Amino acid sequence: QKEVEQNSGPLSVPEGAIASLNCTYSDRVSQSFFWYRQYSGKSPELIMSIYSNGDKEDGRFTAQLNKASQYVSLLIRDSQPSDSATYLCAVEGSYIPTFGRGTSLIVHP
Amino acid sequence: DAGVIQSPRHEVTEMGQEVTLRCKPISGHNSLFWYRQTMMRGLELLIYFNNNVPIDDSGMPEDRFSAKMPNASFSTLKIQPSEPRDSAVYFCASSANSRGGGYTFGSGTRLTVV
Repeated sequence: QKEVEQNSGPLSVPEGAIASLNCTYSDRVSQSFFWYRQYSGKSPELIMSIYSNGDKEDGRFTAQLNKASQYVSLLIRDSQPSDSATYLCAVEGSYIPTFGRGTSLIVHP
Repeated sequence: DAGVIQSPRHEVTEMGQEVTLRCKPISGHNSLFWYRQTMMRGLELLIYFNNNVPIDDSGMPEDRFSAKMPNASFSTLKIQPSEPRDSAVYFCASSANSRGGGYTFGSGTRLTVV
C-alpha cells in the first residue's frame, strides 16, 4: 500500500521566519510530487510541483526532492499570517495521486 | 475557465436516503478523481476515471457507493442508502494527464447524514 507521511503539527512559526514542512513516501517508483495548500473550509490548491532531485524555487516557496531518501520538503521563506493553512503532500505514480494527512502551519504575528 | 464545478455545496439528508453528488471537470481534462476528506482519515481516493472510463475504484468503500462518468463533462457519485458514517466533504478533481499540471479541485460537497 502506498503511504505518504507528514507530521500533523501544528507547526508554529513567527512572522518572517522560514517554515519547513516535510513528507516521506513509500513507493519508490513515484515520479511526480506536489504540495497543496488548504485553508480551513476550502479545497486544496496546488502551490508547487517537483519531479527531479534537487530544489525548485517559486517566489517564497522552495520544494526539495530526494528520491534516494524518499523525502520531499517545502520551505516557506518570510512566512506571513496568510500562509497559515494545512499543507498537503501528494505523490503520484501512474497518474494516481496519494495524499498525506497534511501539516497544519500557524504563522503568528 | 470556471474550474471544477461541484454541486451541491452542502447536503443534509436522513439516513437511508439516496444522495447524488455532481461534478463538471475542467474542459480538456481527461482524468477525474473523486475524493472523500474527513478529520480521521484525511483525503481518500474513491475512484479515478480516465477518458470517461473507471480505471481504479478500489477506494470505493462498499456497494452503497457508485460513480459514473457518462461523458467528458459530467460525473456523479451516488450513495444509496446513505449512513451517518458517510458524513464528510467530497471533492472532485480533474487533471490533464500530463506532468506539470497537478490536480485542480472543486469546491467540494459537505455531506451530513443524520
